[in-house]
Amino acid sequence: GQQLNQSPQSMFIQEGEDVSMNCTSSSIFNTWLWYKQDPGEGPVLLIALYKAGELTSNGRLTAQFGITRKDSFLNISASIPSDVGIYFCAGQLSGGSNYKLTFGKGTLLTVNP
Amino acid sequence: NAGVTQTPKFQVLKTGQSMTLQCAQDMNHEYMSWYRQDPGMGLRLIHYSVGAGITDQGEVPNGYNVSRSTTEDFPLRLLSAAPSQTSVYFCASSYSSFSGYGYTFGSGTRLTVV
Repeated sequence: GQQLNQSPQSMFIQEGEDVSMNCTSSSIFNTWLWYKQDPGEGPVLLIALYKAGELTSNGRLTAQFGITRKDSFLNISASIPSDVGIYFCAGQLSGGSNYKLTFGKGTLLTVNP
Repeated sequence: NAGVTQTPKFQVLKTGQSMTLQCAQDMNHEYMSWYRQDPGMGLRLIHYSVGAGITDQGEVPNGYNVSRSTTEDFPLRLLSAAPSQTSVYFCASSYSSFSGYGYTFGSGTRLTVV
């Protein structure tokens, strides 16, 4: 079953606001990935993190690999209407299959213009 | 454009019917997988393949069959459709056995079973 807790489940914000979401687990992960899914489309990779403590940015997006290797955070600064969608965290479990990713249940982001 | 192609985009089935969801990738990826997405449940792994001729079950395999006769194609078969299989299905592929590089997803097949 699911081993990732992603929160919040949904967010309603005003354009221009900053957004934070996170994923936590009781298990250790080797890799953390953040995906965005636009309405009616498949998920697209935003950011990949490979080392504990790593902080990586992609435009207005910043993600961090937690020091304990059991969590990760995604921040979006100065949100715009096209940020609307579902954001998924995913990770490769330490000691798990190299092939498999474990996904969180997603955070639905709505941005009001 | 290179990527993962899923067909059909939409499908309505009657209970008990069978059908095949098609997935093809032109990136020479070894790893391919099928997920279903349901509200509040996120993405759940149905079946996956690490190469031609090799498949294995994921988290929710019941009611589905797969085969991988070529590197490019990974079809998902519904044997006898049930309303519980109403969902959005995504195919994904990866060029590396290391999943940490991420998957490329198709745009999905929206299936309704009535």
